[in-house]
Amino acid sequence: QQQVKQSPQSLIVQKGGISIINCAYENTAFDYFPWYQQFPGKGPALLIAIRPDVSEKKEGRFTISFNKSAKQFSLHIMDSQPGDSATYFCAASASGTYKYIFGTGTRLKVLA
Amino acid sequence: NAGVMQNPRHLVRRRGQEARLRCSPMKGHSHVYWYRQLPEEGLKFMVYLQKENIIDESGMPKERFSAEFPKEGPSILRIQQVVRGDSAAYFCASSLSISGTGNTIYFGEGSWLTVV
Repeated sequence: QQQVKQSPQSLIVQKGGISIINCAYENTAFDYFPWYQQFPGKGPALLIAIRPDVSEKKEGRFTISFNKSAKQFSLHIMDSQPGDSATYFCAASASGTYKYIFGTGTRLKVLA
Repeated sequence: NAGVMQNPRHLVRRRGQEARLRCSPMKGHSHVYWYRQLPEEGLKFMVYLQKENIIDESGMPKERFSAEFPKEGPSILRIQQVVRGDSAAYFCASSLSISGTGNTIYFGEGSWLTVV
């Protein structure tokens, strides 16, 4: 019940296209869902995060869509660029806790 | 740049040796977390510390692994008698207050341990 399932494992998108990464969770106590971007040899960097009181959050080209009833959330990268090529991790945590449960990651490659 | 600082960035140890990984949290942060990332896997929680206290070490292997965050100085993750399965990237993170529910944790660049 502590798992966060992430898909796809890898993704290839043409420049200018939309990249979509999906995550699903079971634990209804989760109430904070961040996405992290990680470049090779670097640490994960917070990209965008959402709480379940909203269904969508947008920051620039990055959008999180959240479906509370389905217990799913997704990251959309609009107008994908080669510089977006990285590994993306979704995560979840619950109020009053400090453990982030991470998905297994999606390796995105954007072709020029 | 006052980010989370980790050293060494890369460490090679022979089986049976000890590995010590250091982490200085962001300025003003008193909550430190260690995560481990195995190749092609996500990050797994290991331990949560505050100054001089281990709050939760439920993700730490029972043997050979220990962590501390002394009153002065960096947090240290210590791995004794390393084995090949310990080869991984170890990430330290810190937060201003307890993480979760919008309290962002900030990761360091990681320490890559290779056991030969």
